[in-house]
Amino acid sequence: DAKTTQPPSMDCAEGRAANLPCNHSTISGNEYVYWYRQIHSQGPQYIIHGLKNNETNEMASLIITEDRKSSTLILPHATLRDTAVYYCIVRANYNQGGKLIFGQGTELSVKP
Amino acid sequence: DAGVTQSPTHLIKTRGQQVTLRCSPKSGHDTVSWYQQALGQGPQFIFQYYEEEERQRGNFPDRFSGHQFPNYSSELNVNALLLGDSALYLCASRLTILADEQFFGPGTRLTVL
Repeated sequence: DAKTTQPPSMDCAEGRAANLPCNHSTISGNEYVYWYRQIHSQGPQYIIHGLKNNETNEMASLIITEDRKSSTLILPHATLRDTAVYYCIVRANYNQGGKLIFGQGTELSVKP
Repeated sequence: DAGVTQSPTHLIKTRGQQVTLRCSPKSGHDTVSWYQQALGQGPQFIFQYYEEEERQRGNFPDRFSGHQFPNYSSELNVNALLLGDSALYLCASRLTILADEQFFGPGTRLTVL
């Protein structure tokens, strides 16, 4: 079973920031938080991952709370092309191999 | 640089038949994983191949088997197809078995009638 909880759906206005929350209250000390997204009819796409520090790349920012029990993925200026299902996954690097445990994800709809 | 490619794109089979799906990993990647995604659900991990061996397996029956070739490409075989095997089958590759990021292909849509 997935170790994360996400809202099933969210809306965001085009050009505004999209903030997608994720709860992972049972996360272990060696587990990372990963975010992937899946645009309709495509395979999932890696976005970002982090352990305990906030992370930023060209796609998004990841904010992890100090107790590591929750995190927020931020898309700073959402566009229509960001409409997708976003998956939050916790995974221990190295000892879990390739296995990603996907939950139901959050379906983000970016509206004009 | 081609990403992960999968063939065929779509496939229709009948119950009891066998099917083989194919995956070519991203250039330079040596580790391949397979996932099954039922309609409306997140992908479920089937297994992972590295150095031509199955290294990790999810909760799938023995009807699901695979193979990795010396060029790192991979096949997923499903025997005795059931209606419930209808799904999108995704292949993902990684640069190495320890790499963080997985790159997914577009998937093969299998319909079992």
